[in-house]
Amino acid sequence: GAGVSQSPRYKVAKRGQDVALRCDPISGHVSLFWYQQALGQGPEFLTYFQNEAQLDKSGLPSDRFFAERPEGSVSTLKIQRTQQEDSAVYLCASSLETSGGYEQYFGPGTRLTVT
Amino acid sequence: AQSVTQLDSQVPVFEEAPVELRCNYSSSVSVYLFWYVQYPNQGLQLLLKYLSGSTLVKGINGFEAEFNKSQTSFHLRKPSVHISDTAEYFCAVSEFKGASGSRLTFGEGTQLTVNP
Repeated sequence: GAGVSQSPRYKVAKRGQDVALRCDPISGHVSLFWYQQALGQGPEFLTYFQNEAQLDKSGLPSDRFFAERPEGSVSTLKIQRTQQEDSAVYLCASSLETSGGYEQYFGPGTRLTVT
Repeated sequence: AQSVTQLDSQVPVFEEAPVELRCNYSSSVSVYLFWYVQYPNQGLQLLLKYLSGSTLVKGINGFEAEFNKSQTSFHLRKPSVHISDTAEYFCAVSEFKGASGSRLTFGEGTQLTVNP
């Protein structure tokens, strides 16, 4: 079956531009997570959705970062006025249920390079 | 707050040798423990997880890990590695509590390189 997909796979943005990153989770998965992975580091949590509700956005690094999941399926992570420190791989993951023991399935990520 | 420490950033081994990748965690509450593998330009794939019960858990591709509560460790092992095991390995934890508590906290990763 289809896994988690993300688009675009690669994005180059000039500093100051806005970008939008898309995540298509596995159909029927309730939970959706966004993580940021800097070069040579482990992924770091950004935000969490349960269906369309954004229950945790404590990991978003600044108010330039915004995420939505309006119909409880596809999610978009938007970064306004991109800065060089935003360069990273952005990973999306989905999970069937909400409790911690369920596997999170990861997409291939979007590599964002800000020049 | 929870944290994960992977004690080795790089582990080079020869093919067919055994390997152990070390992971220690810190948390004030009970946690679930995971090992993920990441191949170049790909997302993370779950190798195995510990939820409860037997402290020795077996995963895919011949990997296993042992949960040690007293030492707060969850080391990953494989008795005989293959070239194809070359990848980045991440240890991660999530706390029991609440829906948003299922967020994963990752270590910084261990690059396993298997040489012929």
